[in-house]
Amino acid sequence: EIVLTQSPATLSLSPGERATLSCRASQSVSSYLAWYQQKPGQAPRLLIYDASNRATGIPARFSGSGSGTDFTLTISSLEPEDFAVYYCQQRSNWWMYTFGQGTKLEIK
Amino acid sequence: EVQLVESGGGLVQPGGSLRLSCAASGFTFSSYWMSWVRQAPGKGLEWVANIKQDGSEKYYVDSVKGRFTISRDNAKNSLYLQMNSLRAEDTAVYYCARDSQLGGVYYFDYWGQGTLVTVSS
Repeated sequence: EIVLTQSPATLSLSPGERATLSCRASQSVSSYLAWYQQKPGQAPRLLIYDASNRATGIPARFSGSGSGTDFTLTISSLEPEDFAVYYCQQRSNWWMYTFGQGTKLEIK
Repeated sequence: EVQLVESGGGLVQPGGSLRLSCAASGFTFSSYWMSWVRQAPGKGLEWVANIKQDGSEKYYVDSVKGRFTISRDNAKNSLYLQMNSLRAEDTAVYYCARDSQLGGVYYFDYWGQGTLVTVSS
């Protein structure tokens, strides 16, 4: 089973700053990795798929990069609505999905 | 507009059973794999099970194998999760999610709002 490890657990930043979130896989997942955003009391929302493709309707300030085992989600300039928990996710064994433990992005 | 609406959650005693439903609309339900994903209170996301378009293939996370059964009724645009022998550790919000092949593999592109299952005596 592929394990995804996200860092940091919590990231404290101010609006307007740049956020960099990391996700590391225990073995290569090629570029088959997604990022989701979850706000309190809401369902997750797909932001990025295949490591670097923005999902429909996702603002350009969100970008993803990486391949193999190391991936990054970057938010270029934080808006107040971006403070949330972010999860990475991959699909292994072609039918099983796993998630990272999440990074909480909080207002400093 | 794609909509997924879960129902059927509630309080159940350990060892009990519960059946969750997910009503889908706004897309051709029979064309998609579908999944259940859960989230324990204050914890992260855990994929639980998924089912192929025609119901011929079903997969489960190890912790629910033999206890949970995923099914679907394409005529009713509905997804189900039958949960038996429930344990305290099954307490979570259960989300219905659509599996879409975007790019290379499948991802969850739409989610319902979730239904809370609490297992407690």
